[in-house]
Amino acid sequence: AQKVTQAQTEISVVEKEDVTLDCVYETRDTTYYLFWYKQPPSGELVFLIRRNSFDEQNEISGRYSWNFQKSTSSFNFTITASQVVDSAVYFCALSVVGGFKTIFGAGTRLFVKA
Amino acid sequence: NAGVTQTPKFRVLKTGQSMTLLCAQDMNHEYMYWYRQDPGMGLRLIHYSVGEGTTAKGEVPDGYNVSRLKKQNFLLGLESAAPSQTSVYFCASSPPGPGAYEQYFGPGTRLTVT
Repeated sequence: AQKVTQAQTEISVVEKEDVTLDCVYETRDTTYYLFWYKQPPSGELVFLIRRNSFDEQNEISGRYSWNFQKSTSSFNFTITASQVVDSAVYFCALSVVGGFKTIFGAGTRLFVKA
Repeated sequence: NAGVTQTPKFRVLKTGQSMTLLCAQDMNHEYMYWYRQDPGMGLRLIHYSVGEGTTAKGEVPDGYNVSRLKKQNFLLGLESAAPSQTSVYFCASSPPGPGAYEQYFGPGTRLTVT
C-alpha cells in the first residue's frame, strides 16, 4: 500500500524567511511519480512539480526547489525568501505507474506574514 | 481555455435530497476524477474514468454514482445526501498514462448537508 505523510500541519514564517515543507512517502513499487500541488486561499489546486522515481536530481524553479532522496523516501519542498503570496496549503502526492489512484498527503498549511 | 470547470460552486442540501455535480474540461483529457477534501485528510478519490463511457470506483465510492457520457463531462451524483457527505468536491482531469501525469483541478464545489 502507498502512503504519503506530511508531518507539518501548519508552518508560520515571516516574509523573506526560507521554509522547507517535508514529505515522506511509502511504496513498494519501484516505478512511481511524486507531485507537489499548491492550494491558495481561493481554493483551486495548482500543480507545481512532478518527479519520477528514477530521477533523483534536485530541481530549482525560481524561489522553489525540491529535494528528492530515495534513501530516505522523502521529497521535500523549499521556498526561498518566502512571500505573502506563498501562503497556501501544499500537498505532496504519490502515484504508481500503471495505477489510477494518486495518494495525497494531508497537506501543510503555510502562513507567510508580512 | 477554461480548463476544468465545476457547477455549482456552492450547494446546501437537506438529508435525503439528491443532486448532481457537473464537471467539464476542454483539454481533451482522457482521464477524469472526482475527489472529496475534508480537513486534515487531504484529497480522497471517489470515482474516476479512463474514457468516455467508462467509470471505476476509487477509495471512498459509497453513496456516490458517476457517469461519463461525453469525453469532456464527468458527473457526480448523490442519490440520498447524508451529513457525512458535507465536504469540498474537486474534479480533475489528466492525459492518459496511469499514474504518470499531473492532474488539472477544477475550482471545487462546497457542499453542505444539513
